[in-house]
Amino acid sequence: QQQVKQSPQSLIVQKGGISIINCAYENTAFDYFPWYQQFPGKGPALLIAIRPDVSEKKEGRFTISFNKSAKQFSLHIMDSQPGDSATYFCAASMRSGRGSTLGRLYFGRGTQLTVWP
Amino acid sequence: DADVTQTPRNRITKTGKRIMLECSQTKGHDRMYWYRQDPGLGLRLIYYSFDVKDINKGEISDGYSVSRQAQAKFSLSLESAIPNQTALYFCATSDSPRRGVRGGRGTQYFGPGTRLTVL
Repeated sequence: QQQVKQSPQSLIVQKGGISIINCAYENTAFDYFPWYQQFPGKGPALLIAIRPDVSEKKEGRFTISFNKSAKQFSLHIMDSQPGDSATYFCAASMRSGRGSTLGRLYFGRGTQLTVWP
Repeated sequence: DADVTQTPRNRITKTGKRIMLECSQTKGHDRMYWYRQDPGLGLRLIYYSFDVKDINKGEISDGYSVSRQAQAKFSLSLESAIPNQTALYFCATSDSPRRGVRGGRGTQYFGPGTRLTVL
């Protein structure tokens, strides 16, 4: 079954608006939650990440909000720009402990964001 | 990321053919991964390797095999390609994880992808 559920599948936002992408997980052993950004024709690249001991992480126009009790986290893109048009993947992993699952990323299915000028 | 290269970048093959996709990295990472990407299904893990002697199956390993020839090289093979293996394939690398956030070890660095079409 899918370890990380992501919504919406696609999102269209006007330039200057706020883009919000949501993710949910079940495994409470997850302790690292990155977001990856993928432009057409390229591989995904790390955008921003958060640990569960903080509720919010901000880098420029990108913010992750984390709700540990609800097992949900979201990406907010403020003042969205056409250059932000890309596919966004949330993910989760376990960074502590042992075994073959340590450090493995479990990805959501992705959100295709289009920002209209 | 030029530190992770994949060959070929595009490949068209026929059903039943054997095909190999290759990945090389110069980042010095121990860990390497193979994913496939399909529209609406996101990135699904095929195989991953934590070092040359450690290879693990991912979510969708059936129909695929891998070889870790060296720390820097990780190949994916389709022994007998079928049309539903048509997809975009990505190789990724990472160091071992530790407690840290952005840029910490454990971040996965992806190659540019191989677009595979099986007719």
